[in-house]
Amino acid sequence: QAGLTQPPSVSKGLRQTATLTCTGNNNNVGNEGVAWLQQLQGHPPKLLSYRNKNRPSGISERFSASRSGNTASLTITGLQPEDESDYYCSAWDSSLSAWVFGGGTKLTVL
Amino acid sequence: QVQLVESGGSVVQPGRSLRLSCAASGFTFSTYLMHWVRQTPGKGLEWVALIWYDGSNRFYADSVKGRFTISRDNSKNTLYLEMNSLRAEDTAVYYCATEILGDYAFDYWGQGTLVTVSS
Repeated sequence: QAGLTQPPSVSKGLRQTATLTCTGNNNNVGNEGVAWLQQLQGHPPKLLSYRNKNRPSGISERFSASRSGNTASLTITGLQPEDESDYYCSAWDSSLSAWVFGGGTKLTVL
Repeated sequence: QVQLVESGGSVVQPGRSLRLSCAASGFTFSTYLMHWVRQTPGKGLEWVALIWYDGSNRFYADSVKGRFTISRDNSKNTLYLEMNSLRAEDTAVYYCATEILGDYAFDYWGQGTLVTVSS
């Protein structure tokens, strides 16, 4: 099953802003929307955002998500060392009747 | 709080079978959709299967269709994954995850259980 497209890596400086992207099509990203997950080394993934822009309780306001057409974005402001992690996007694909993930973006905080 | 505990992972030979379990607590299990998601060590996430809150609908990734079966026992708050005809490429950490109907997201995750398919 075809997945979503994410850049493999992004590097930004401390206290800067990083924007991660996720590209799909009308059947997934452009449909019911995207969820973003953070996976710290050695840990299971953790939900950061759902339905394109909603933040679960307990997630820092420094994490914000949006969608424009078939591309979703996760913006992390005021980067901290603990933000260094792998980030995945996911979406339900209505044409495949399957969930699809992006390949993940490794964020490095310099 | 929500707790998901996977078990059943082990080393198994190609072609053999294995059943994974996911014990849930801290939430009303019978009202959540449930997923299995796997991750090859050092690689990305791959969705495996989804089961509706009442078991009425099940969906599978093409890579496991016909070999894996997802099921649940709401009276025991437990999710299962029956894996048959295992292949080397099924080697991965298997996570169970919840989904609130309408959220279109994996809300909570377990810690995972490792399945290694090797002769």
